[in-house]
Amino acid sequence: NAGVTQTPKFQVLKTGQSMTLQCAQDMNHNSMYWYRQDPGMGLRLIYYSASEGTTDKGEVPNGYNVSRLNKREFSLRLESAAPSQTSAYFCASRETLNQPQHFGDGTRLSIL
Amino acid sequence: QKEVEQNSGPLSVPEGAIASLNCTYSDRVSQSFFWYRQYSGKSPELIMSIYSNGDKEDGRFTAQLNKASQYVSLLIRDSQPSDSATYLCAVNTPMGRRALTFGSGTRLQVQP
Repeated sequence: NAGVTQTPKFQVLKTGQSMTLQCAQDMNHNSMYWYRQDPGMGLRLIYYSASEGTTDKGEVPNGYNVSRLNKREFSLRLESAAPSQTSAYFCASRETLNQPQHFGDGTRLSIL
Repeated sequence: QKEVEQNSGPLSVPEGAIASLNCTYSDRVSQSFFWYRQYSGKSPELIMSIYSNGDKEDGRFTAQLNKASQYVSLLIRDSQPSDSATYLCAVNTPMGRRALTFGSGTRLQVQP
């Protein structure tokens, strides 16, 4: 039972490069989320998708774009990576708005 | 005022003791509350959900909710060194952004 799968697990980029982080869930959940986590900052919401076909900005959307490709998949794109985007990125999903979110293992991204 | 506040710690307790972790939230209409455990370098893992006032017990864990005081806590009985982790409080608010809001976490250290 895979749950939420994120790829890649680790990535090193140079400033200005582009990158797409992939996320897929096999729990038939409606809502999906992207967070970033920096030391001492907690989890900050980048974008979310409440249902297939919709996406909305979270707290820290600048520098990112997302695509809800279908019910299973929600990708996060960095068009021109900056060192400030060095972080751990977590994808999460949940069935309904009153349920907990389930997280993937994360992508550790380093931008030089 | 942050929407969800936690003491960052570290909270240090001896093995076998009760660890008490606290969380306050600002939005009175919040309806569901969750505790996640996060080991260093890993993703958040759900350990407790609570939806109504009072206590909810699951093994060594007890979640307590007081909506009038806007306060939720997590008690860990018979603390073990393997409980050493960061504990994140998450709150679900029906209005506004349709995602969980996380506190920045409390780091727990259980001393053998």
